[in-house]
Amino acid sequence: AQTVTQSQPEMSVQEAETVTLSCTYDTSESNYYLFWYKQPPSRQMILVIRQEAYKQQNATENRFSVNFQKAAKSFSLKISDSQLGDTAMYFCAFMKQQGGSEKLVFGKGTKLTVNP
Amino acid sequence: DAGVTQSPTHLIKTRGQHVTLRCSPISGHKSVSWYQQVLGQGPQFIFQYYEKEERGRGNFPDRFSARQFPNYSSELNVNALLLGDSALYLCASSRFDSYEQYFGPGTRLTVT
Repeated sequence: AQTVTQSQPEMSVQEAETVTLSCTYDTSESNYYLFWYKQPPSRQMILVIRQEAYKQQNATENRFSVNFQKAAKSFSLKISDSQLGDTAMYFCAFMKQQGGSEKLVFGKGTKLTVNP
Repeated sequence: DAGVTQSPTHLIKTRGQHVTLRCSPISGHKSVSWYQQVLGQGPQFIFQYYEKEERGRGNFPDRFSARQFPNYSSELNVNALLLGDSALYLCASSRFDSYEQYFGPGTRLTVT
């Protein structure tokens, strides 16, 4: 079974600085997808960034980028120029399409606080 | 375009009762998935439906059931509620040929 581990329960960063959230996963599959979701206190889960395992190039979405290390099974999220609105729970998630099913497996999350 | 909508926003039930939660997907999305998020944890997969058929089931007891309607909306039913069923229930929709799931705001269920 696939598992996702986020080893940092809480992190904080000063506004305008850069922060990196860690995620590792365990799978024997070679083709899969990885995601970072953001869940602000208002609780709506928002897709931040995605990465296909077959792509070597790291995904980037504006201030958000990932460092995908397939051999190490590591998928970290870097947030540049942190903003107060980035304060939220961040969840790393894994997906393997199998047997017609698409199931997300989530980590326990990292609570990020951006301080003014 | 409207996002995924869920109703009700929150509700309180008593142990032993049953509950029905509703979800409407993004227009054009034919797949709906349900997740349970207990406080302080990441969401856990309950069901996935596509074209009214169950495509996946997580490790949840038979008290949990779901269905999808011809307009692709979905219901999650939970019978014989337990205190441990208290959680945020999230619905997500996707096009079945896409691996991206988009979440609704959730329904907060409290069982007393």
